[in-house]
Amino acid sequence: RKEVEQDPGPFNVPEGATVAFNCTYSNSASQSFFWYRQDCRKEPKLLMSVYSSGNEDGRFTAQLNRASQYISLLIRDSKLSDSATYLCVVNRDGGYNKLIFGAGTRLAVHP
Amino acid sequence: SAVISQKPSRDICQRGTSLTIQCQVDSQVTMMFWYRQQPGQSLTLIATANQGSEATYESGFVIDKFPISRPNLTFSTLTVSNMSPEDSSIYLCSVATGVPRGETQYFGPGTRLLVL
Repeated sequence: RKEVEQDPGPFNVPEGATVAFNCTYSNSASQSFFWYRQDCRKEPKLLMSVYSSGNEDGRFTAQLNRASQYISLLIRDSKLSDSATYLCVVNRDGGYNKLIFGAGTRLAVHP
Repeated sequence: SAVISQKPSRDICQRGTSLTIQCQVDSQVTMMFWYRQQPGQSLTLIATANQGSEATYESGFVIDKFPISRPNLTFSTLTVSNMSPEDSSIYLCSVATGVPRGETQYFGPGTRLLVL
């Protein structure tokens, strides 16, 4: 079993749609959680950190369920520019900065 | 966030040769890391570059194959030694900022390596 598993995708959605990505992690000691975005042939860029209370940044909402070891990302009112691969990222052991990356979910937003 | 640059941005190399990739940060950072992203896959951590001591390698990666230097808090190099076509990949350095356990990582633009 992979340490971080994500929806395989790809997700093809029209502009304006709401789309949700799911992610599960296997190490219950994990303390930090993130969503990164990676555009084609570019480096990953931090989209947002994920906190236990859930957090929102504009059209993006991230949720964390520690009991289920589950992380989600919701994108509302999708834009063409949201097309990218979204990486679920988990700090492996909580006390040291070893990030484990999910395989990513590809999103394609079309007109 | 820190500004990170990598050299070279891309290279095509012959098998059996070695390539050294440089990573430069515009500010002093405690933690620097090297990752590999093979075609169509996600990122895999190769090692943590420690300033003033030997790098800490992840399972499956060894110093003889991927020697790393970290002479100061703004610079690191990764060498891919005795290359084979299987080493064709994107190599990325990253730096960690922020408080402990909440640290986030920022990535350099990557070095695209093709081994023939």
